[in-house]
Amino acid sequence: DARVTQTPRHKVTEMGQEVTMRCQPILGHNTVFWYRQTMMQGLELLAYFRNRAPLDDSGMPKDRFSAEMPDATLATLKIQPSEPRDSAVYFCASGPPMNTEAFFGQGTRLTVV
Amino acid sequence: DAKTTQPPSMDCAEGRAANLPCNHSTISGNEYVYWYRQIHSQGPQYIIHGLKNNETNEMASLIITEDRKSSTLILPHATLRDTAVYYCIVRSNTGTASKLTFGTGTRLQVTL
Repeated sequence: DARVTQTPRHKVTEMGQEVTMRCQPILGHNTVFWYRQTMMQGLELLAYFRNRAPLDDSGMPKDRFSAEMPDATLATLKIQPSEPRDSAVYFCASGPPMNTEAFFGQGTRLTVV
Repeated sequence: DAKTTQPPSMDCAEGRAANLPCNHSTISGNEYVYWYRQIHSQGPQYIIHGLKNNETNEMASLIITEDRKSSTLILPHATLRDTAVYYCIVRSNTGTASKLTFGTGTRLQVTL
């Protein structure tokens, strides 16, 4: 059963530390999304890639967040330095070519103390 | 992308049909209606989408009004596992996955 895999599932870190979240999209999918979910803001798009090239990262705070796709099987979202307001669930999703659906991972629950 | 309006919450008895409404009065001609749901502590899950004709799959049916200004997602026989937040999203269909703008959705509670 193909699925999007995110690691770690949970992360607790101290303010100021670097956090890296990883996502393995479904094999053959060429679009990758990063979303963030909080109680206050709901689900927000941070960035997305197609064929490993960034298409839109306007939702991402550029001073501390960065998103990359080193290869077609790995997407990373990095926060440096982390702040308590970054505490949220971060979802990765991938989409296949010639299809409009997006398939979401289980998320990474980040807590910054 | 057009905005959508959904009721914040609904209840449904198990085994009955759940009818979830969505208003999208500013939808334009090339925009599709998508439905996703999010079960507690999981990522959103695609349910169904349509342009103007009614659609049905193994999960649900989508009824879009003739003027396309509103739609209804129907879960024909709701079970406790259908308890989730349901999101109605309107966006252009470019043939490939593009960004989804999530609103606040409808929290469906299925009860015994």
